[in-house]
Amino acid sequence: QKEVEQDPGPLSVPEGAIVSLNCTYSNSAFQYFMWYRQYSRKGPELLMYTYSSGNKEDGRFTAQVDKSSKYISLFIRDSQPSDSATYLCAMNLWGGNTPLVFGKGTRLSVIA
Amino acid sequence: EADIYQTPRYLVIGTGKKITLECSQTMGHDKMYWYQQDPGMELHLIHYSYGVNSTEKGDLSSESTVSRIRTEHFPLTLESARPSHTSQYLCASRAAAGEQYFGPGTRLTVT
Repeated sequence: QKEVEQDPGPLSVPEGAIVSLNCTYSNSAFQYFMWYRQYSRKGPELLMYTYSSGNKEDGRFTAQVDKSSKYISLFIRDSQPSDSATYLCAMNLWGGNTPLVFGKGTRLSVIA
Repeated sequence: EADIYQTPRYLVIGTGKKITLECSQTMGHDKMYWYQQDPGMELHLIHYSYGVNSTEKGDLSSESTVSRIRTEHFPLTLESARPSHTSQYLCASRAAAGEQYFGPGTRLTVT
């Protein structure tokens, strides 16, 4: 079992839909969680990071962490065609020197 | 805002050539990373560094080498390029608080 599991998709939604992207993890010591957006042939862009359970909101994006279930989510409200990209989750031990553990990424298409 | 730079952005080179991919950051981050990523595929960590004079191999076996002589600079070198090295190479640096930022990448094609 991989440390981080992420459904690769592809996920196709109509413009304006609410999108839910998810990752599960097996290491209960993970404390720090990040979401990246990667457009085709570009470097990943850090969208959100959080180190606590609960929700964190930034504009149309909400990151949710449920440590008891080892499950994290990224919600995108009012999705736009410009949101079409691959979304990667990443996580690590708090203050750890070990590299981030990434999910494989979920490919999202928002259709106008 | 991430200030991490990679050069060249695109490189086409013949088999057997030696190449160095440059990565620099102006954020003073100690931790830096190199990833390899084929189109539509997952990231693979190939090298990382905790700071000056520190280098470690990543999860993916790689024929490349790295050096870390200055905090802001983390170049990756391929002594003899092969077609199997054709890929995108992404550099990243990580803040003390944990968040990691990526550069724009170098797309390498070996003919």
